[in-house]
Amino acid sequence: GENVEQHPSTLSVQEGDSAVIKCTYSDSASNYFPWYKQELGKRPQLIIDIRSNVGEKKDQRIAVTLNKTAKHFSLHITETQPEDSAVYFCAASPLIFGNEKLTFGTGTRLTIIP
Amino acid sequence: NAGVTQTPKFQVLKTGQSMTLQCAQDMNHEYMSWYRQDPGMGLRLIHYSVGAGVTDQGEVPNGYNVSRSTTEDFPLRLLSAAPSQTSVYFCASSTASRNTEAFFGQGTRLTVV
Repeated sequence: GENVEQHPSTLSVQEGDSAVIKCTYSDSASNYFPWYKQELGKRPQLIIDIRSNVGEKKDQRIAVTLNKTAKHFSLHITETQPEDSAVYFCAASPLIFGNEKLTFGTGTRLTIIP
Repeated sequence: NAGVTQTPKFQVLKTGQSMTLQCAQDMNHEYMSWYRQDPGMGLRLIHYSVGAGVTDQGEVPNGYNVSRSTTEDFPLRLLSAAPSQTSVYFCASSTASRNTEAFFGQGTRLTVV
């Protein structure tokens, strides 16, 4: 089955600086890579996703890059703000039909230092 | 539009007891899944369903049963609760369309003593 590794497990950055979280996956059949943000005690919520036919996708301060050959993808957050503090999860899915089989990384706790 | 609703939010069980975690969605999504979240381990897939009457096992299915008699509901049954099943459980749903976002419920925190 799929295995997703995520690094680092914790990350602290000064407000205004950039944060990068990296993930690798093992199954070449995976073709959909979402990133979820989870605030304390809340449900995971999608912040950005990318499909395997795209190398990069950007949404305001958030961007995701995908290297399908190397089987790794990364989340980039620029101009970080205190509300970016949360746990971030990467995931991979074969996305044959729907999104019923997500394999998650172990999460990165991001802390923004004011 | 309620989205994905899980009940209960909190539950304490004694070892050996059984219970059902409820999950309902009102978005007419075909696909539904159950995950458990443990510290340092992310979310792991327990069971999933691609439509009414169809279920399959995920990564960690042992000790859990599911059924999908309607599109809206996907209950998760713990047959004989064990302390190792102490976790936060999330239900998610998605649809086969260009917007493939998986929507999560608010979670059920289960403690088995």
